[in-house]
Amino acid sequence: AQSVTQLDSHVSVSEGTPVLLRCNYSSSYSPSLFWYVQHPNKGLQLLLKYTSAATLVKGINGFEAEFKKSETSFHLTKPSAHMSDAAEYFCVVSDRAGTASKLTFGTGTRLQVTL
Amino acid sequence: EAQVTQNPRYLITVTGKKLTVTCSQNMNHEYMSWYRQDPGLGLRQIYYSMNVEVTDKGDVPEGYKVSRKEKRNFPLILESPSPNQTSLYFCASSLGSLSSYNSPLHFGNGTRLTVT
Repeated sequence: AQSVTQLDSHVSVSEGTPVLLRCNYSSSYSPSLFWYVQHPNKGLQLLLKYTSAATLVKGINGFEAEFKKSETSFHLTKPSAHMSDAAEYFCVVSDRAGTASKLTFGTGTRLQVTL
Repeated sequence: EAQVTQNPRYLITVTGKKLTVTCSQNMNHEYMSWYRQDPGLGLRQIYYSMNVEVTDKGDVPEGYKVSRKEKRNFPLILESPSPNQTSLYFCASSLGSLSSYNSPLHFGNGTRLTVT
């Protein structure tokens, strides 16, 4: 069984300051992990993914995430927030041992960016 | 342009009146899936399809049906909608073969359904 926990439902940062969105996962096998972003009235868009290569993964728009197996975490970071980063972010785990493409979504973190 | 197209974007209906939400992708993807998004619950999978004529239940399949007669289309059918099916629905697709379990999902823009 797999699960994912996003530790904060809302995060508010000032423009130009760092962003940290936290995600912890549970998986019986070596997981694949993803971050997706959802802007208002839009579908979800892939930000980045971890699939057992480098543990530090770089994505689009300056975001990156680090896979830490010992902490079962996959936190999303960005050095400097921009107003356009305001959106909802979902951490997603895929159990690669499954025979179906089974994804489990976190409950989401809404990022607010203020001036 | 590669995309997943859902229709309609907004739908208001009454309890018990059958409806279909269409989903089409132009990327020749094998895998397609339906999700519902509810506040505080994230996305939950309703049904998915690994290929034509192959469908399977997700986490919340009750009250829904799907079919996959063609590779590009994956309609979601509510035979007798109820108010607890009021939600935001997303269709998604990916390469999704068994060897590419980590291929990213491409999402449609969503269908907001209200059942009164």
